[in-house]
Amino acid sequence: GAGVSQSPRYKVAKRGQDVALRCDPISGHVSLFWYQQALGQGPEFLTYFQNEAQLDKSGLPSDRFFAERPEGSVSTLKIQRTQQEDSAVYLCASSSQTGDSEQYFGPGTRLTVT
Amino acid sequence: GESVGLHLPTLSVQEGDNSIINCAYSNSASDYFIWYKQESGKGPQFIIDIRSNMDKRQGQRVTVLLNKTVKHLSLQIAATQPGDSAVYFCAEIPNRDDKIIFGKGTRLHILP
Repeated sequence: GAGVSQSPRYKVAKRGQDVALRCDPISGHVSLFWYQQALGQGPEFLTYFQNEAQLDKSGLPSDRFFAERPEGSVSTLKIQRTQQEDSAVYLCASSSQTGDSEQYFGPGTRLTVT
Repeated sequence: GESVGLHLPTLSVQEGDNSIINCAYSNSASDYFIWYKQESGKGPQFIIDIRSNMDKRQGQRVTVLLNKTVKHLSLQIAATQPGDSAVYFCAEIPNRDDKIIFGKGTRLHILP
């Protein structure tokens, strides 16, 4: 079956532009996570959804970052007024239930802010 | 604060030898640990996991060891193959929390 997909795979934005990154989780997966991975670092948690409810957004670095999952499936991570420090790979993961079930990761979106 | 880290940023291993990748964690309350493999341009891929009530778990060619006394986690890969070249992350899921806390990663190079 299809895994987690993300689009676009690559995005170049000029500083100050808004961007929207899309995640299509595995069909039926309840939980969805967003992570940010800077070059040479491990992924860092941004936010977590259970169905359409955003249960944890403690990792979002600023109020320029906003995530939504209105129908409990596809999710969008939006970054407003992008800055150079936002350059990173943004990873999405989904899992079938809460707790410690396996999270399946998408390939990520590489964002470069110039 | 909570953190998971690795001792070495890179590890070079001869093809066919065994690889051992080490990790130290600081959150003694963590209940669940995972090793991930990440190839270039891809997301992390689950390799093997272990719960805090275990000290060893084996998979296909991989073994994870957990030493809670010194808060140390290791991944052993038997008969390392070229396809094992990747960055390996240890990660933890703290008790009653779903988010994964990743370490910085170890890049594994396979020498011919």
